[in-house]
Amino acid sequence: AQSVTQLDSHVSVSEGTPVLLRCNYSSSYSPSLFWYVQHPNKGLQLLLKYTSAATLVKGINGFEAEFKKSETSFHLTKPSAHMSDAAEYFCVVSAVPLGGNQFYFGTGTSLTVIP
Amino acid sequence: NAGVTQTPKFQVLKTGQSMTLQCAQDMNHEYMSWYRQDPGMGLRLIHYSVGAGITDQGEVPNGYNVSRSTTEDFPLRLLSAAPSQTSVYFCASSTTASPLHFGNGTRLTVT
Repeated sequence: AQSVTQLDSHVSVSEGTPVLLRCNYSSSYSPSLFWYVQHPNKGLQLLLKYTSAATLVKGINGFEAEFKKSETSFHLTKPSAHMSDAAEYFCVVSAVPLGGNQFYFGTGTSLTVIP
Repeated sequence: NAGVTQTPKFQVLKTGQSMTLQCAQDMNHEYMSWYRQDPGMGLRLIHYSVGAGITDQGEVPNGYNVSRSTTEDFPLRLLSAAPSQTSVYFCASSTTASPLHFGNGTRLTVT
């Protein structure tokens, strides 16, 4: 079975400070993992993806995530938060490698950036 | 390159009315799916399709029907709208070698 747990429903950081959004997963297969971002009243945009290549994945807008199999985690980080990073972030696991046909979403983490 | 196109963007229905949310993709993706997004619940899978002529239920299928007559189109039908179906609906597509590509969503209100 596949599932995703986002450990924080809300995260608040000051502009210019690091961002950490936590995600743990459970998967019966070698998973593909994704982070999506959703700005208010917008659709979902892919930030980055892990598909069994390098464990440290770099995405758009300075975000990166590290796949840690021993900890079943895929935390999202950014060294310095910008105001434009304020959004909802979703961690997603796929049931089979390279995307596949079943995707499981976490409940989301709302990121607030304080000026 | 249009990607995934959803129409309409907004819709208001009265309880008991029916309607169809349209979804089309131009990337020749075999996999298409519908999600609903509600506050605090993330995205929940309603129905999905792994190819033309093949559909299956997701996590919350009750009250919704789908069909997949072509690779490009995957409409979602509400048979008799209920206030509990007030939500934002997203259509998505992918292949086995890609993540999900989302449409911009349909905001539905049922009064």
